Amino acid sequence: DAKTTQPNSMESNEEEPVHLPCNHSTISGTDYIHWYRQLPSQGPEYVIHGLTSNVNNRMASLAIAEDRKSSTLILHRATLRDAAVYYCILRMNTNAGKSTFGDGTTLTVKP
Amino acid sequence: DGGITQSPKYLFRKEGQNVTLSCEQNLNHDAMYWYRQDPGQGLRLIYYSQIVNDFQKGDIAEGYSVSREKKESFPLTVTSAQKNPTAFYLCASSIRPGGTTEAFFGQGTRLTVV
Repeated sequence: DAKTTQPNSMESNEEEPVHLPCNHSTISGTDYIHWYRQLPSQGPEYVIHGLTSNVNNRMASLAIAEDRKSSTLILHRATLRDAAVYYCILRMNTNAGKSTFGDGTTLTVKP
Repeated sequence: DGGITQSPKYLFRKEGQNVTLSCEQNLNHDAMYWYRQDPGQGLRLIYYSQIVNDFQKGDIAEGYSVSREKKESFPLTVTSAQKNPTAFYLCASSIRPGGTTEAFFGQGTRLTVV
C-alpha cells in the first residue's frame, strides 16, 4: 500500500500562512489525497481532498504536485484553533479498505 | 442533527471479558469503518464495511469482530483474544466506499483494560 511521509511537527505564528507538506512517492493513479486534523481525545475532522488538480474550500487549499508524488496543505491565516495533528492519507477511489494514516504533523500556532 | 455517534465515551473492561463498542450514523452512508489509535500514533484500520451485510478485515483485525445488520449501525466487539485492547477506538463513515468522498468520524471510545 502507498505510504505518506510528513514532518513530525511544525510551528506557525497566528494569522500567518502555513504550508504543511506530505510526500507520497508511491501513490497510484486511483489514490485520492485526503487531509484530516485531530484535536486531543477527539475524532479526526475532514479538511480537504483532491485527485490531481489543486482544490480550495473554506478551511484550506490543497496544492498537488504535477507528478502527484507530493502535496501541500495550505492554511491561509493560521488561528489558535488550527493547532492540531494534521494527517495526510491516501484513499483508493473505490476500495474502502485501502487507506493508511501516518503519524501526522503536530502544528503549533503561536500567538 | 446528522452525524455519527459512538458510545460509550469511556469504557473499562476486566481482562478476559468481551466488550462491544457502539457506532451509529444517521447520514445514510453506505461505508463504515473502525480504527484503533494508540498514544502518539496514527489510526490503524480494524474492519470496514462497504455496504450493509458485508464487512472486511482491515490491517489489524485479530481479536476483534463486527456486524453490519443495519445500514446505520456497525458495532465492534473487542474479544478476550485481543492481547492489548487498551486504546482509543474511532468509528467513521462515508457516503461511498473509497476516497472520492470525505469520511466523517465519531468522537471515539476510550477503552481501558483493568
